[in-house]
Amino acid sequence: GESVGLHLPTLSVQEGDNSIINCAYSNSASDYFIWYKQESGKGPQFIIDIRSNMDKRQGQRVTVLLNKTVKHLSLQIAATQPGDSAVYFCAENQAGNKLTFGGGTRVLVKP
Amino acid sequence: ETGVTQSPTHLIKTRGQQVTLRCSSQSGHNTVSWYQQALGQGPQFIFQYYREEENGRGNFPPRFSGLQFPNYSSELNVNALELDDSALYLCASRPGFSGANVLTFGAGSRLTVL
Repeated sequence: GESVGLHLPTLSVQEGDNSIINCAYSNSASDYFIWYKQESGKGPQFIIDIRSNMDKRQGQRVTVLLNKTVKHLSLQIAATQPGDSAVYFCAENQAGNKLTFGGGTRVLVKP
Repeated sequence: ETGVTQSPTHLIKTRGQQVTLRCSSQSGHNTVSWYQQALGQGPQFIFQYYREEENGRGNFPPRFSGLQFPNYSSELNVNALELDDSALYLCASRPGFSGANVLTFGAGSRLTVL
């Protein structure tokens, strides 16, 4: 399949370990944030979202943390699996309901 | 339910030509957005359609235009192609205009301009 991103920051993680992916966002007025996962040859796939009135939200094996003071978002993946290898993007919902995406982080899971 | 489908999956054009990309939104979704994703970068918002009207546009020139049809499917047209237009073009749909509704993306159309 095609490579989604050739020059992205890369996080290498051992299978079974936890992964933490960080993201800085730009607009303090953004009220809604989403993490997407993109595998080679595919479009972005929704993972988890969080509203600005929350600082933490948990899903299945994933947790998103929001720090509005420093405009920082993180995605934690518990017990990382080979299927988690992908490029991860954070996105913020801005005026007009358009998403602004971050630059992405590639996660490589080592067996 | 079927997801968002896009066509063609790959195409090659030369500078100055025109291209039309097509998108069928997910069943029940009436809002369609288009994004451009250059290699190694995150998707960038081009524009959004709701009830057949353009409703929101990113920082793209007028040679990028679109349509939404009564069945909510959509087209992206790019005129006077430039080399920098080479990218993956993603279509996404949501069930309503509200940003609170999650966008569902298609697999994209990979455009190469020579």
